[in-house]
Amino acid sequence: AQKITQTQPGMFVQEKEAVTLDCTYDTSDPSYGLFWYKQPSSGEMIFLIYQGSYDQQNATEGRYSLNFQKARKSANLVISASQLGDSAMYFCAMREGGGTASKLTFGTGTRLQVTL
Amino acid sequence: DTGVSQDPRHKITKRGQNVTFRCDPISEHNRLYWYRQTLGQGPEFLTYFQNEAQLEKSRLLSDRFSAERPKGSFSTLEIQRTEQGDSAMYLCASSNHNQPQHFGDGTRLSIL
Repeated sequence: AQKITQTQPGMFVQEKEAVTLDCTYDTSDPSYGLFWYKQPSSGEMIFLIYQGSYDQQNATEGRYSLNFQKARKSANLVISASQLGDSAMYFCAMREGGGTASKLTFGTGTRLQVTL
Repeated sequence: DTGVSQDPRHKITKRGQNVTFRCDPISEHNRLYWYRQTLGQGPEFLTYFQNEAQLEKSRLLSDRFSAERPKGSFSTLEIQRTEQGDSAMYLCASSNHNQPQHFGDGTRLSIL
């Protein structure tokens, strides 16, 4: 089974509108972390936001917020007030385990296109 | 604070040749990771160092691949006898304990 599933290969949103990018995950580990990264066409992976499995509140970072629904195993990224510069690939990733947990497992990504 | 630096940005080589990539992590980060990303996919984990110790290797890392981090600072990833299937973006990331990983710009490898 896929550990991270992103079902939207591509999304369009108008400038200044909000958009939700979906991510579901699969793990039996009670301790895990969920991450969202942005990858523009230039290729670098830019960290956006993090949610720990034990965090009580949904994470927020500026225009980014993470809609964490633990029972449904979903961690959707919400981008408010979209800007043209938000056009990029967006990847959801998971780190399983606490302590010395290391590797990230990524989904296949969603390509977001912001239009005028 | 400089970010993660990777060299070269692009490498084109003939099948069968050896290639080596370098990664310089953020200076205070003790963890260093290598990932591989093929077209249309998310990055896949290859290996991970804590200081100079290589603590985890993916089964993707065949015996043609070797990674080192000799002094716990920069790391090198070598691919011997390259094959067409090795064509990909090789990404390096660094972090401290339980902090988000910060990625470099990657090395794009093309095998002719």
